[in-house]
Amino acid sequence: AQTVTQSQPEMSVQEAETVTLSCTYDTSESDYYLFWYKQPPSRQMILVIRQEAYKQQNATENRFSVNFQKAAKSFSLKISDSQLGDAAMYFCAYTGTASKLTFGTGTRLQVTL
Amino acid sequence: NAGVTQTPKFRVLKTGQSMTLLCAQDMNHEYMYWYRQDPGMGLRLIHYSVGEGTTAKGEVPDGYNVSRLKKQNFLLGLESAAPSQTSVYFCASSFYSLPSGYTFGSGTRLTVV
Repeated sequence: AQTVTQSQPEMSVQEAETVTLSCTYDTSESDYYLFWYKQPPSRQMILVIRQEAYKQQNATENRFSVNFQKAAKSFSLKISDSQLGDAAMYFCAYTGTASKLTFGTGTRLQVTL
Repeated sequence: NAGVTQTPKFRVLKTGQSMTLLCAQDMNHEYMYWYRQDPGMGLRLIHYSVGEGTTAKGEVPDGYNVSRLKKQNFLLGLESAAPSQTSVYFCASSFYSLPSGYTFGSGTRLTVV
């Protein structure tokens, strides 16, 4: 079974600074996708960014980018120029051929002035 | 489009009572999922469905039943609620193909006293 591990329960970053959230996963599949979801206090699950395993190029969405290391099974999220609105829970997630999303336990990000 | 709609949004049950959570999607998605979210544990898959009339167990299925009589609806039932089922429940849906993306409902907060 696939597993997703987020080893940082909480992180803090100052406004305008950069922060990196870590995620590792375990799988024997070769075709899969990885996601980062943001969950603000409203509870809504918001897709931040996704990465196809067959693509070597790291995905980027505005201030959000990933460092995808397939051999190391690592998928970290970098948030640049952090804003107060970035404060939320962030979940790393995996999906493979079974089309089921497997989540990590989450990282709570605080953004300070 | 409404996307994925969950009803109710909040509910308090007494131990032993039963209830049904309804998930409805209007995107013609084949796959539907029920997750529960507990502090420090991320989102865990309860049951899922890959099409009308089909259901399958996820990671934590005990104490829950599901039905998918219509493609657009996925029902989650608690036959005899227990305090351990106090949680936030999320429904999600997706097309069958990787990775098209997952759409989440806004969640149901259930408290069992």
